[in-house]
Amino acid sequence: AQSVTQPDIHITVSEGASLELRCNYSYGATPYLFWYVQSPGQGLQLLLKYFSGDTLVQGIKGFEAEFKRSQSSFNLRKPSVHWSDAAEYFCAVAMMNSGGYQKVTFGTGTKLQVIP
Amino acid sequence: DVKVTQSSRYLVKRTGEKVFLECVQDMDHENMFWYRQDPGLGLRLIYFSYDVKMKEKGDIPEGYSVSREKKERFSLILESASTNQTSMYLCASKVSATYEQYFGPGTRLTVT
Repeated sequence: AQSVTQPDIHITVSEGASLELRCNYSYGATPYLFWYVQSPGQGLQLLLKYFSGDTLVQGIKGFEAEFKRSQSSFNLRKPSVHWSDAAEYFCAVAMMNSGGYQKVTFGTGTKLQVIP
Repeated sequence: DVKVTQSSRYLVKRTGEKVFLECVQDMDHENMFWYRQDPGLGLRLIYFSYDVKMKEKGDIPEGYSVSREKKERFSLILESASTNQTSMYLCASKVSATYEQYFGPGTRLTVT
């Protein structure tokens, strides 16, 4: 069964510092991978996605993520964090299940705190 | 812009009440989903619907039912609310041939 692990529950960074949020997945085939962001009191917004091709994908708000098959990872990065990036970030993996339906599994989330 | 709306942002209900959570999307998406979100557990799929009048159980369907009579509307029903159903409920929709889901703002339900 597919699974997604976000090992960091909570991360604090200073404004202007770089950021890397970790995501590891478990899935036998080539995965479809996503990062979503959830601002306080809001729903989830898609930041970026990887389906195939270039393993470094660019997203909205200056975020990027790199797919590393050998490490089963899809880490999210941003070179310089802004106070408005404080939110919860979810990694997700999608696949087709045995019933022929698309199934998306979400990680447990990483809460990002940004300090001045 | 895709818009997914949920009928309430906050809801307080008593134990044993029947609760309806409504979700409407305006992009003619075939697929719709209900998740619950709890701290430390991420998002867990309750039910999904691949088309009108179709429904499939997700990972945690117990205590819930759903209804999809029109393409744009997907309702989650708690037949007899219990305190362990206090949670944030998120609705999502997507085009059938894609994996990208669009989420509503969520309904924070408190059952007392």
